[in-house]
Amino acid sequence: KAGVTQTPRYLIKTRGQQVTLSCSPISGHRSVSWYQQTPGQGLQFLFEYFSETQRNKGNFPGRFSGRQFSNSRSEMNVSTLELGDSALYLCASSLVATRIPYGYTFGSGTRLTVV
Amino acid sequence: QKEVEQNSGPLSVPEGAIASLNCTYSDRGSQSFFWYRQYSGKSPELIMFIYSNGDKEDGRFTAQLNKASQYVSLLIRDSQPSDSATYLCAVTWDSSYKLIFGSGTRLLVRP
Repeated sequence: KAGVTQTPRYLIKTRGQQVTLSCSPISGHRSVSWYQQTPGQGLQFLFEYFSETQRNKGNFPGRFSGRQFSNSRSEMNVSTLELGDSALYLCASSLVATRIPYGYTFGSGTRLTVV
Repeated sequence: QKEVEQNSGPLSVPEGAIASLNCTYSDRGSQSFFWYRQYSGKSPELIMFIYSNGDKEDGRFTAQLNKASQYVSLLIRDSQPSDSATYLCAVTWDSSYKLIFGSGTRLLVRP
């Protein structure tokens, strides 16, 4: 069974540019979440999607956005990149079995460097 | 403000010993509790999740939850050098699928 797939693995962008990251969840998983991990702030929640709808959003500026497609694949976009956006961006998917989250499986992440 | 706190460590234990990792959280409305292991340069890997008060065992790992005292712990029996990693505690609230992570505890298992 394939895991959570994130592309690309590494990315270097210039300040002011925008970037789109992609995530394919485990087959059958309908909830997809995105997290940012930095040495200083740790793992921080960005947003969560289920059935193409954003259900939860973290405390990030509007430059961070995302979407989910009908096949549960998800993308996140960061516009007007800043140096502080350099981080590991992680996608996680979950099998929505009950109201209580069943568990989250993380992808390998996209390492974004803004120069 | 919902918070999850962990001692950053490092927690150093000899091979074969029991490693005890602790996590406290700020709000009694919490619902689900997760332990993740993260090796350097890798993504977090789910070890265990627990919803109810008490103990839950899976192989060498035991998660313990005490909602009245607002803490959750992870015990690793017969610790191995390969267990050396950062252990992240995560909590969800109010049936939300939003994970709030602690900063992690670094565990070092000495051969």
